[in-house]
Amino acid sequence: DAKTTQPPSMDCAEGRAANLPCNHSTISGNEYVYWYRQIHSQGPQYIIHGLKNNETNEMASLIITEDRKSSTLILPHATLRDTAVYYCIVRVYNQGGKLIFGQGTELSVKP
Amino acid sequence: EPEVTQTPSHQVTQMGQEVILRCVPISNHLYFYWYRQILGQKVEFLVSFYNNEISEKSEIFDDQFSVERPDGSNFTLKIRSTKLEDSAMYFCASKYGTSPQETQYFGPGTRLLVL
Repeated sequence: DAKTTQPPSMDCAEGRAANLPCNHSTISGNEYVYWYRQIHSQGPQYIIHGLKNNETNEMASLIITEDRKSSTLILPHATLRDTAVYYCIVRVYNQGGKLIFGQGTELSVKP
Repeated sequence: EPEVTQTPSHQVTQMGQEVILRCVPISNHLYFYWYRQILGQKVEFLVSFYNNEISEKSEIFDDQFSVERPDGSNFTLKIRSTKLEDSAMYFCASKYGTSPQETQYFGPGTRLLVL
């Protein structure tokens, strides 16, 4: 699985968009980008995933650059409850399924 | 919404004792996983389980660990002789299949403290 690089921490004002970057410059053609988050030692929670097109769901949007070497997770209107560690994971979908977590980005949403 | 459940939420044990952590995956899911997270560290993969056998395990998952799906609904992780360094949060996860849309759902975790 390709290595990912994320900033260790970010702040965001409540109500503003949170833009969390992820670098995955060694991604290969059959690898998907997945985002999970972990709120204060709870179990990780799936947010969104994509291959090469931008994706949006009720939680977030995922923007993947055309060369697929980086992506950005966007929380359009961050709330205090979005304070969490956000993990960007790159993997081939048809493997056994294990997720390799890095250190992630600790997002603090402030009032 | 269906969810993965884990029991107990907290477990305190003495070094050298056996512990069994229990998980009830989402009912129609076919792939099961255990992860652990030592306090302040990242989430680490332990083992994956499919079709009643281990499909992959990490270096952490040594002979002290075993997994079982005893009755078609529960999925257990046994640590035979606990060590201090086994103190961690243990997360169970499950998913239905292997397509990209099939994502893993995690349980709330069991906090294990070995004294």
